Amino acid sequence: NAGVTQTPKFQVLKTGQSMTLQCAQDMNHNSMYWYRQDPGMGLRLIYYSASEGTTDKGEVPNGYNVSRLNKREFSLRLESAAPSQTSVYFCASSGEQGAAKNIQYFGAGTRLSVL
Amino acid sequence: LAKTTQPISMDSYEGQEVNITCSHNNIATNDYITWYQQFPSQGPRFIIQGYKTKVTNEVASLFIPADRKSSTLSLPRVSLSDTAVYYCLVEVGTASKLTFGTGTRLQVTL
Repeated sequence: NAGVTQTPKFQVLKTGQSMTLQCAQDMNHNSMYWYRQDPGMGLRLIYYSASEGTTDKGEVPNGYNVSRLNKREFSLRLESAAPSQTSVYFCASSGEQGAAKNIQYFGAGTRLSVL
Repeated sequence: LAKTTQPISMDSYEGQEVNITCSHNNIATNDYITWYQQFPSQGPRFIIQGYKTKVTNEVASLFIPADRKSSTLSLPRVSLSDTAVYYCLVEVGTASKLTFGTGTRLQVTL
């Protein structure tokens, strides 16, 4: 009964370091999403993937890359971390048809600090 | 691109009904309106979804006027455990871009 699993839960980076945030879902969903949430703020879409092999930019894609490795996994990479990328990152997944498209299931988040 | 806006915060006493409105005047024609609840240090959790008129489930009701440019989440008889941030989610614009609302922080007290 795992749902959406994100790793790691916490990470501290130095400016310029790179890292990959991992996300996996076990609900057989086609659509997957990456969001960031800054302290006291709402959710902003970074990238999404409507199906395996496809990815699209969201509202704030600069500084990030994504890979939809297979149907289950969607990773987010920071090539050269900057302090402005300090945030909580959430991965989500959803079905892709009709009403199910907007019912997203979220992971517990990755708390990232860039010093 | 018009923003999807909500009141920043609301306060309520336990046992009262709370209504939170989301303004989405650029909603995509065929899109559903979905509401989420988020507790500190957790990801958002689905509450309710609707397309038009009124929808009710075991935890909330959702009211959507005919023009669909806004929606109202209604929480009956709130308790302390309903203290959270509430978000609406809609697709906006001709490109049908998924957008979360600005979020409403609900504080419930005795």
